[in-house]
Amino acid sequence: ETGVTQSPTHLIKTRGQQVTLRCSSQSGHNTVSWYQQALGQGPQFIFQYYREEENGRGNFPPRFSGLQFPNYSSELNVNALELDDSALYLCASSPNRGGSTEAFFGQGTRLTVV
Amino acid sequence: GQSLEQPSEVTAVEGAIVQINCTYQTSGFYGLSWYQQHDGGAPTFLSYNALDGLEETGRFSSFLSRSDSYGYLLLQELQMKDSASYFCASNRDDKIIFGKGTRLHILP
Repeated sequence: ETGVTQSPTHLIKTRGQQVTLRCSSQSGHNTVSWYQQALGQGPQFIFQYYREEENGRGNFPPRFSGLQFPNYSSELNVNALELDDSALYLCASSPNRGGSTEAFFGQGTRLTVV
Repeated sequence: GQSLEQPSEVTAVEGAIVQINCTYQTSGFYGLSWYQQHDGGAPTFLSYNALDGLEETGRFSSFLSRSDSYGYLLLQELQMKDSASYFCASNRDDKIIFGKGTRLHILP
């Protein structure tokens, strides 16, 4: 149990809709990263937030956006959902950005777009 | 570009030793991490190598050669519960980049 919690655990949305996924970081962690994991693939980096500011971004379109709050919890927002957005979305928190720190993952949100 | 290559599947026998290799091409490389993920579960951290050489943690060991852009995860005394996917990951200053994962099958 890592202390990183995500909600909801499962979600079904219709193509074109918008979705917000939430993540509560482990206590004391100021960095949160979001990943998309398709079935049978490795986690793909979406973006990272450090102390409420975006610190790095992967190869995802602008309709993927995020926020980090003063308590270091975070949201991932996806607009104009597409069928290919169906995946497991993982949130990971770290005590510091990058470097040698390990990432502590939540259990993820399984998003299905129909 | 940035990429990590690892075998898609490996099969080994319970009680044996297995090695999962990883080669990488990434910029701003700090070190190589390994994560384990069981079906339906979250990735969990196993080990991290910042320097060349072997790091040992119980039954698991990890190796890094920066000059060869190569690392491996060694699992000893395999148990059925070790059946999972294993990911090598490159740590940078602003992100962790994961490989596609190696599915480890363990035969009784």
